Amino acid sequence: KAGVTQTPRYLIKTRGQQVTLSCSPISGHRSVSWYQQTPGQGLQFLFEYFSETQRNKGNFPGRFSGRQFSNSRSEMNVSTLELGDSALYLCASSLEEGRNTEAFFGQGTRLTVV
Amino acid sequence: AQSVTQLGSHVSVSEGALVLLRCNYSSSVPPYLFWYVQYPNQGLQLLLKYTSAATLVKGINGFEAEFKKSETSFHLTKPSAHMSDAAEYFCAVSEPHNAGNMLTFGGGTRLMVKP
Repeated sequence: KAGVTQTPRYLIKTRGQQVTLSCSPISGHRSVSWYQQTPGQGLQFLFEYFSETQRNKGNFPGRFSGRQFSNSRSEMNVSTLELGDSALYLCASSLEEGRNTEAFFGQGTRLTVV
Repeated sequence: AQSVTQLGSHVSVSEGALVLLRCNYSSSVPPYLFWYVQYPNQGLQLLLKYTSAATLVKGINGFEAEFKKSETSFHLTKPSAHMSDAAEYFCAVSEPHNAGNMLTFGGGTRLMVKP
């Protein structure tokens, strides 16, 4: 069974540009969450989607947005990139909603903003 | 909001020695707790999880963790460290009043294993 796939793995963008990251969850998983990982702030929750609906949202500015498609694949978008957006963006998928459901993580997309 | 504290951002042990990574959470309601491991340039892999079934939880690769409500702790241990255990470890909790899969992570502990 294929794991969580994130594309691209690496990305370099210029300040002010926008970027779209993609996440394909494990087959059958309906919940997709996104996290930002930086050396200074650690792992921070961005948002979670379940059955195409945003269920939870972290404390990030409106420049960060996401969506989920009917096949559970998800994208996140960051507009007007800032240097501080440089980070590893991790996607996690879960079989169902629920607090004790294991989250399976992808390898992440490393975004560098120059 | 929940918070998770991992005492010690770096821990160094000798191969074969006991591994102890500390995690404390803040919650008046027992949360669900998780330990994840991250190898360089990789995502996170679940080691074990506590879901109120048993206070001592056994995970993969010989790791285990004990939930202590009175101490609001969920420390991770392994009796004998192996070189392959060198990685970063994250403790995480799920929000008690949230039906979704949102996790709050601790700051992480980088484990170094000396030969």
